[in-house]
Amino acid sequence: ILNVEQSPQSLHVQEGDSTNFTCSFPSSNFYALHWYRWETAKSPEALFVMTLNGDEKKKGRISATLNTKEGYSYLYIKGSQPEDSATYLCAFNSNTGNQFYFGTGTSLTVIP
Amino acid sequence: DTEVTQTPKHLVMGMTNKKSLKCEQHMGHRAMYWYKQKAKKPPELMFVYSYEKLSINESVPSRFSPECPNSSLLNLHLHALQPEDSALYLCASSTGDGYGYTFGSGTRLTVV
Repeated sequence: ILNVEQSPQSLHVQEGDSTNFTCSFPSSNFYALHWYRWETAKSPEALFVMTLNGDEKKKGRISATLNTKEGYSYLYIKGSQPEDSATYLCAFNSNTGNQFYFGTGTSLTVIP
Repeated sequence: DTEVTQTPKHLVMGMTNKKSLKCEQHMGHRAMYWYKQKAKKPPELMFVYSYEKLSINESVPSRFSPECPNSSLLNLHLHALQPEDSALYLCASSTGDGYGYTFGSGTRLTVV
């Protein structure tokens, strides 16, 4: 079992604030890093799949960066909106298998 | 159809009951997975099926019995569960290349 950590565990921000959180993963045998957005009672929704060191991906107000050498990824949300409230999960898979190892998630609450 | 469908969404069962969880996808994905998630913990891999054959069993107790009758369907048969088995059970499928999973919305299981 590989250790994938996310911080902070939870976050409350005001509407309009920008925020970011971190996913740390093993830097060896890297294959891909995934970000998911998970609302209660819904399926986790894929946000990004990142594979190359230095990758930066963007989807609307959400963006992510990847550093495979030091083993971390940041997720940024610009101008948070109440509908951004969800748990954000990262998942790591190594080049030695087909299974994901999940972080514990960051629970984001955006206060109107 | 780009979804993974899980049924039922909620299940309450006694420790002597036998029940089954069902997962279905019609995306042609050749790998299917069962995960278990307890509150405030990351999803933990239970089983992986690849081309309808069990390829990974993460030392799951035998009271959980997976079955893959065909490439679109994955079942999890439950028997003689314990209250500590109460959790969210997530199914996922993928093309098997490690670049993305599609998740179901889960079955919330309570064992009484």
